[in-house]
Amino acid sequence: KNEVEQSPQNLTAQEGEFITINCSYSVGISALHWLQQHPGGGIVSLFMLSSGKKKHGRLIATINIQEKHSSLHITASHPRDSAVYICAVSRLNEKLTFGTGTRLTIIP
Amino acid sequence: EPEVTQTPSHQVTQMGQEVILRCVPISNHLYFYWYRQILGQKVEFLVSFYNNEISEKSEIFDDQFSVERPDGSNFTLKIRSTKLEDSAMYFCAQTVAGALGEEAFFGQGTRLTVV
Repeated sequence: KNEVEQSPQNLTAQEGEFITINCSYSVGISALHWLQQHPGGGIVSLFMLSSGKKKHGRLIATINIQEKHSSLHITASHPRDSAVYICAVSRLNEKLTFGTGTRLTIIP
Repeated sequence: EPEVTQTPSHQVTQMGQEVILRCVPISNHLYFYWYRQILGQKVEFLVSFYNNEISEKSEIFDDQFSVERPDGSNFTLKIRSTKLEDSAMYFCAQTVAGALGEEAFFGQGTRLTVV
């Protein structure tokens, strides 16, 4: 059974700050997903990683397979980035196992 | 972009009543999942469906839950006799294998409130 740990659980920052959210998992995986959950509850996929690094706009996600660790970075944070960010892992064609999420609040 | 569609978005039901949650998956993909998220908690796996059969289910997915594909395309999650603790957000999801790996697609969720 894969255990997924995220840190921090809550993060409050000023607009413009560089944000880092961390995720670690216990068992080998085929993919790690970073998800964003809006206040209304909907979940949106931000990144799927199996190795290396991906960038989309101000968001950067990295993964270290050997260390079983991933980070999500947000550059030049903005109040609209306020949401819950969830790390989830899976093996090929298997269910996702979710972390507890990180609640991010960006203050103008 | 492919989309998974869920209905209804909200449902309020009396304890003991049956509810049916519906999901329209991305076509031509075989793996399908139901998850739930109790308010303030992490998302939990309920059941996976592969090639028209349940492939795995969690301890949560007891006899009061069932999943069907009534018309060969859409999926339903049925809760036969709802309990207060069934109040949660329910998500259907698919992971779609592509050239760059598996991508996850979630429905918008159904917020179920049992009163």
